[in-house]
Amino acid sequence: NAGVMQNPRHLVRRRGQEARLRCSPMKGHSHVYWYRQLPEEGLKFMVYLQKENIIDESGMPKERFSAEFPKEGPSILRIQQVVRGDSAAYFCASSHGQGDGYTFGSGTRLTVV
Amino acid sequence: AQSVTQPDIHITVSEGASLELRCNYSYGATPYLFWYVQSPGQGLQLLLKYFSGDTLVQGIKGFEAEFKRSQSSFNLRKPSVHWSDAAEYFCAVSGTQGGSEKLVFGKGTKLTVNP
Repeated sequence: NAGVMQNPRHLVRRRGQEARLRCSPMKGHSHVYWYRQLPEEGLKFMVYLQKENIIDESGMPKERFSAEFPKEGPSILRIQQVVRGDSAAYFCASSHGQGDGYTFGSGTRLTVV
Repeated sequence: AQSVTQPDIHITVSEGASLELRCNYSYGATPYLFWYVQSPGQGLQLLLKYFSGDTLVQGIKGFEAEFKRSQSSFNLRKPSVHWSDAAEYFCAVSGTQGGSEKLVFGKGTKLTVNP
């Protein structure tokens, strides 16, 4: 039973390029959460999705960031026109639903050069 | 708004010594509380969680935590620390109501273990 799979593990992008981060939740999990971890900071919530629906995007920057969780396939966090300040570790977590805990992936470390 | 405070940014203990990591939360209703551990360059591993019932929760790797509603605290403890416990520890809170179940994290406590 594979855990939460994130890829790539490391991603380097030049300023202005697009970054696509993928997350495959645990088998049977239909809730996906994305978090961002900046250096010396805890994890900050970005977005919560269920299949084909965005439930809560209160932590997403208003511009350049988007997320989806299609009926088939992984959840995607997309960052357009990346800037140096987007350099961070991005973690995905999945769960069954309310109150049963969360399983985290190993993260994608994005570096913008 | 929910918030989590971990007052200690960095703690150093000797191997074999006892450990207590502090966590205070702010949440209007009964919270779900979690402790996670993160090794360098790795993801987060769940140590333990509190939902309801017994306020002393046992977790993996010999860790335990005690929920104290009156103090809004959920401190993590271990009686005897091992060198492999060196890592960063995060306390988190989530709501019990329906809707978004996002986690709110503290900024973490980095644990160094001296031989």
